[in-house]
Amino acid sequence: DQQVKQNSPSLSVQEGRISILNCDYTNSMFDYFLWYKKYPAEGPTFLISISSIKDKNEDGRFTVFLNKSAKHLSLHIVPSQPGDSAVYFCAAISSGSARQLTFGSGTQLTVLP
Amino acid sequence: SAVISQKPSRDICQRGTSLTIQCQVDSQVTMMFWYRQQPGQSLTLIATANQGSEATYESGFVIDKFPISRPNLTFSTLTVSNMSPEDSSIYLCSVSYMDTEAFFGQGTRLTVV
Repeated sequence: DQQVKQNSPSLSVQEGRISILNCDYTNSMFDYFLWYKKYPAEGPTFLISISSIKDKNEDGRFTVFLNKSAKHLSLHIVPSQPGDSAVYFCAAISSGSARQLTFGSGTQLTVLP
Repeated sequence: SAVISQKPSRDICQRGTSLTIQCQVDSQVTMMFWYRQQPGQSLTLIATANQGSEATYESGFVIDKFPISRPNLTFSTLTVSNMSPEDSSIYLCSVSYMDTEAFFGQGTRLTVV
């Protein structure tokens, strides 16, 4: 049973436009959410996170939105750049879990020049 | 942040053999984690390795197959034992400090033939 779901395996966006990556979760105990970016042959690198007490967190071109009632979060990248092309993983941590991450299956973002 | 070095970065192994993956961190850290990413899949937690105690394995993973050592606060090893082609994956070491995001090594790409 997947507790963190990314239903879109891939997304293509034109350079300069907005990229929206979506993530749904089922475990109500999750209270911290993270987005990671992964290039081939590299480990995931942290992008941005959000605590369950917030509904929005912004860092430069990256904004994460959290809708707790819908158990849904999204990552917005604007403007998108070709260097943003990578696999994006949504991850969640539940309180008391010793900071173990539960990952979604990932979305391959391709930003077209 | 943390700098995590994993060795080897990739290997091709014969079935029935074992491979030990090393993870070195540039600072002392309490919590270390080992993840697996099978082809086309998400990252799945294998075990949590805290210094001074036995590793804690997730459902579906056992110590006989994936023995872990954690001799000090900057180093850990994961052994993939009696390998079969189904063990072909990327294995990732991760560390987490309290109240921060997790950092990942670059991963070890294992192919079992």
